[in-house]
Amino acid sequence: DAGITQSPRHKVTETGTPVTLRCHQTENHRYMYWYRQDPGHGLRLIHYSYGVKDTDKGEVSDGYSVSRSKTEDFLLTLESATSSQTSVYFCAIRAGGSEQFFGPGTRLTVL
Amino acid sequence: AQRVTQPEKLLSVFKGAPVELKCNYSYSGSPELFWYVQYSRQRLQLLLRHISRESIKGFTADLNKGETSFHLKKPFAQEEDSAMYYCALIGTGANNLFFGTGTRLTVIP
Repeated sequence: DAGITQSPRHKVTETGTPVTLRCHQTENHRYMYWYRQDPGHGLRLIHYSYGVKDTDKGEVSDGYSVSRSKTEDFLLTLESATSSQTSVYFCAIRAGGSEQFFGPGTRLTVL
Repeated sequence: AQRVTQPEKLLSVFKGAPVELKCNYSYSGSPELFWYVQYSRQRLQLLLRHISRESIKGFTADLNKGETSFHLKKPFAQEEDSAMYYCALIGTGANNLFFGTGTRLTVIP
């Protein structure tokens, strides 16, 4: 599992509330990613990080922010959750080559 | 622009039958392609990458640059192969992993 964990694994929240998802890795990888998985869309990149405090936007970054203050943690924040952000969120790391390895996912429901 | 197309949302085959999951891509450079598998409510797992040309769980995939395809094949399907399969392409900078929409494979006993 490449030492990747995500928390929480499940969350239900209300529209307009802030939400933070955490990705933690134990193997000191430089690159970390956040994706969302939706039926009919596959997985789409939200943001990624290439080092501590170094982040960049992905394909669907609107409404999301990220932070990486330590190598092992990559946080995804929904400043004001909307129903369209109901999804399964996956964190990933890049280990050595170009392939990415994924965390177990967080199922987020915004009511 | 990069794009990965998996034309079949659903695919059902009988146990022991051959399986082919289709993947077509568009990319202006030299692509690096992957197949990922996701079993029910589990994390995505890397199944194959075209560079390694290895066979995992009996699956193989050949990159056909002329047809811009990277179809996944297995000669004899097993029930445990039932899962969601995603084809993915790495774009420039090796940070843009583009996924197809996935094909749900069901192997009928």
